[in-house]
Amino acid sequence: DVKVTQSSRYLVKRTGEKVFLECVQDMDHENMFWYRQDPGLGLRLIYFSYDVKMKEKGDIPEGYSVSREKKERFSLILESASTNQTSMYLCASSTDDISGEQYFGPGTRLTVT
Amino acid sequence: QKEVEQNSGPLSVPEGAIASLNCTYSDRVSQSFFWYRQYSGKSPELIMSIYSNGDKEDGRFTAQLNKASQYVSLLIRDSQPSDSATYLCAVNPGGSQGNLIFGKGTKLSVKP
Repeated sequence: DVKVTQSSRYLVKRTGEKVFLECVQDMDHENMFWYRQDPGLGLRLIYFSYDVKMKEKGDIPEGYSVSREKKERFSLILESASTNQTSMYLCASSTDDISGEQYFGPGTRLTVT
Repeated sequence: QKEVEQNSGPLSVPEGAIASLNCTYSDRVSQSFFWYRQYSGKSPELIMSIYSNGDKEDGRFTAQLNKASQYVSLLIRDSQPSDSATYLCAVNPGGSQGNLIFGKGTKLSVKP
């Protein structure tokens, strides 16, 4: 069965803190993605990776960075958290075949105070 | 700008009725199409994939694709209160390294 896990379901951090969100998939997928989801704005792509140590900016990369040292793990880093980064963060993975089916983790609800 | 459009709803249907959810997309060369279900506070769950024109049925769900009209729909037969959720349409445009373009979703409410 497809499995994507995220390190925390809920997280509360203070403004200015460095925040790490971890995502692990056990499906040997090549592609991994980080999204944030906000009411009325839908899913917005932050970064994606199509191979180990490779990363590409999505639509809203400002204020974020990523790391992919191993195929199964993709980390999202908020270098200095701000209140406007309060959101639901979703990780997804997919194979690199033509279908593009993405499978999501359970999400992390991050609150920055 | 590649776009996927959905009516935000809410779409309200009585229990047992057919719910019809619609989606249009702008990129004519799009190759793969998906429907995700998202319950409130949860992550999206893939429920249907469709790749060629016509209908694809899976239990109570039918996905319909018309590439000429750039239109994809999801029919839910015998709707149940447990089907109440937001349904996201997603499209894989060609050559996108697996990136999907998501619509903002249609909220469905099935009334007992």
